[in-house]
Amino acid sequence: EAGVAQSPRYKIIEKRQSVAFWCNPISGHATLYWYQQILGQGPKLLIQFQNNGVVDDSQLPKDRFSAERLKGVDSTLKIQPAKLEDSAVYLCASSFRGGHTNTEAFFGQGTRLTVV
Amino acid sequence: KNEVEQSPQNLTAQEGEFITINCSYSVGISALHWLQQHPGGGIVSLFMLSSGKKKHGRLIATINIQEKHSSLHITASHPRDSAVYICAVRGYSGGGADGLTFGKGTHLIIQP
Repeated sequence: EAGVAQSPRYKIIEKRQSVAFWCNPISGHATLYWYQQILGQGPKLLIQFQNNGVVDDSQLPKDRFSAERLKGVDSTLKIQPAKLEDSAVYLCASSFRGGHTNTEAFFGQGTRLTVV
Repeated sequence: KNEVEQSPQNLTAQEGEFITINCSYSVGISALHWLQQHPGGGIVSLFMLSSGKKKHGRLIATINIQEKHSSLHITASHPRDSAVYICAVRGYSGGGADGLTFGKGTHLIIQP
């Protein structure tokens, strides 16, 4: 079974530039999550999709971050414009279905963003 | 909002030692996860617990729901166990929102 795929693995941009990350979840997984992991901290949930609908985006900085999952499969996360404090690893995870006690999440390798 | 605390933050041990990593949380949960993260790598799920104890190879995870506490044990530790171990919890929420709340992780180094 193929895992969660993310690209790119690494990205360096200047502040105020835009950047986009891509995630392809495990086939058949209805729920997709984007997490931000700042160096030395645990990941923080940015947004959760159930199919192509947003379930939770309460911690997404909506003035500069946006995410979509138009066909309920792949997802993109965009930052525009980037700030220095956005430097982090962006992790995508998927699960078969959300809102269920025993649902396990599978994580991608992450995209390491450096804003200079 | 759930607060997840892990201890210790850093742990260095010798090969073969018995390792214990602790996790406590502040609000009742529906499930607790133990995850492993290698440098430059993604996150791998080790255990998902809602009660009791689970064992997989040399790894054992326990949870005490009443005390809001979980432990991850590694028996006969090996240098390849060196990684960051992260505790994460899933709360009870409506509307299907079930994103995990993570601790900061425990950085484990096993020396040969």
